[in-house]
Amino acid sequence: GDSVTQMEGPVTLSEEAFLTINCTYTATGYPSLFWYVQYPGEGLQLLLKATKADDKGSNKGFEATYRKETTSFHLEKGSVQVSDSAVYFCALGGSYIPTFGRGTSLIVHP
Amino acid sequence: NAGVTQTPKFRVLKTGQSMTLLCAQDMNHEYMYWYRQDPGMGLRLIHYSVGEGTTAKGEVPDGYNVSRLKKQNFLLGLESAAPSQTSVYFCASSYSGQGRNSPLHFGNGTRLTVT
Repeated sequence: GDSVTQMEGPVTLSEEAFLTINCTYTATGYPSLFWYVQYPGEGLQLLLKATKADDKGSNKGFEATYRKETTSFHLEKGSVQVSDSAVYFCALGGSYIPTFGRGTSLIVHP
Repeated sequence: NAGVTQTPKFRVLKTGQSMTLLCAQDMNHEYMYWYRQDPGMGLRLIHYSVGEGTTAKGEVPDGYNVSRLKKQNFLLGLESAAPSQTSVYFCASSYSGQGRNSPLHFGNGTRLTVT
């Protein structure tokens, strides 16, 4: 069945550092791929998505590229801010039910 | 535009009590979901619905019941609460028309403690 594997956290960075959060997936067919972000005390919200191979999703300085050959969708940001501290979830689109990774906590220090 | 609204935001129950969590969405979405989130466990799907009048079991349905009498509402019931049901509960909805391209829209959660 479909599955998503994310790097375990927490990831701790200083402000302005480069961020990578790894995500790999196993899926049948050609699902869309998503990154969601969850700020403290809130629900998940869509950060970015890509719908086919080689697509790059981007939003708020975050980027991720749908790599079919490596079955990966790694999240990157060139310069993180304290306000980026949150939990990040990688997910596969499902016909009814999406598949989520377990989430990676990011802590950014001033 | 409210999106997905969950009520209540917080609740404390004693073991054996019952309660209903309400989820309402104003986006005319067909699909609705109930998840629970526990530390180190990620999101786990409890029940879901693919349309008004339909429900289906997810990964962890035991101890919960759901109803989708109106398209915009999805209710989660706990008939006899147990401490193991202490969790944060999230409702989500999505538009069916995009199939596997459809993102989920989440509410802000209900924090439930069972003592």
